[in-house]
Amino acid sequence: EVQLVESGGVVVQPGGSLRLSCAASGFTFDDFSMHWVRQAPGKGLEWVSLITWDGGTTYYTDSVKGRFTISRDNSKNSLSLQMNSLRVEDSALYYCARGSVEYQMLFDCWGQGTLVTVSS
Amino acid sequence: QPVLTQPPSSSASPGESARLTCTLPSDINVGSHNIYWYQQKPGSPPRYLLYYYSDSDKGQGSGVPSRFSGSKDSSANTGILLISGLQAEDEAEYYCFIWPNNVGVFGGGTKLTVL
Repeated sequence: EVQLVESGGVVVQPGGSLRLSCAASGFTFDDFSMHWVRQAPGKGLEWVSLITWDGGTTYYTDSVKGRFTISRDNSKNSLSLQMNSLRVEDSALYYCARGSVEYQMLFDCWGQGTLVTVSS
Repeated sequence: QPVLTQPPSSSASPGESARLTCTLPSDINVGSHNIYWYQQKPGSPPRYLLYYYSDSDKGQGSGVPSRFSGSKDSSANTGILLISGLQAEDEAEYYCFIWPNNVGVFGGGTKLTVL
């Protein structure tokens, strides 16, 4: 069974740092691009970042460029998101999602999410 | 970054059809992009439904009924999700998504109520 399990979400103060992780199982992890997508409480979805299968290419939404870093460890079937200089508006449920083989921007599998709250 | 416009809400009765729209900004041509559609129910992650580029280039998510279909209205620069034969279980939030210039963009979502 394909499974994505996020972890690392906590309450953190503005300006702080946090590292989210996503453990993948049930598929050949290094065959797929991976994404982070977030959803603020009661709000819509926001795409955050993409990393290609080999980690060679990454993309970010403008609001997190220079503050967030996506990475992956294919030997551990693991995806990460390093979040620095956190802002109140970064508070959200963070999902990791798998990009499909056909189109890497097609999210064909999602985790349940991990909640990040940025608050003083 | 671009904004995809979706009506905040829509409603229809069981058995009827619902037509959900996703309007792209004028500087992004709908004809040049895959439009991806996702369904989200409260307390659950989104679920991939389908993508639509053209009648000859489209795809359906695994297990997604054929009563969910996509199309485009080029004159309105809009992507469309059509749900026919509405069922109570179709009540959910629906999001469109595109990938222009190596940045992903979701629409604001449409909450579909099945009356």
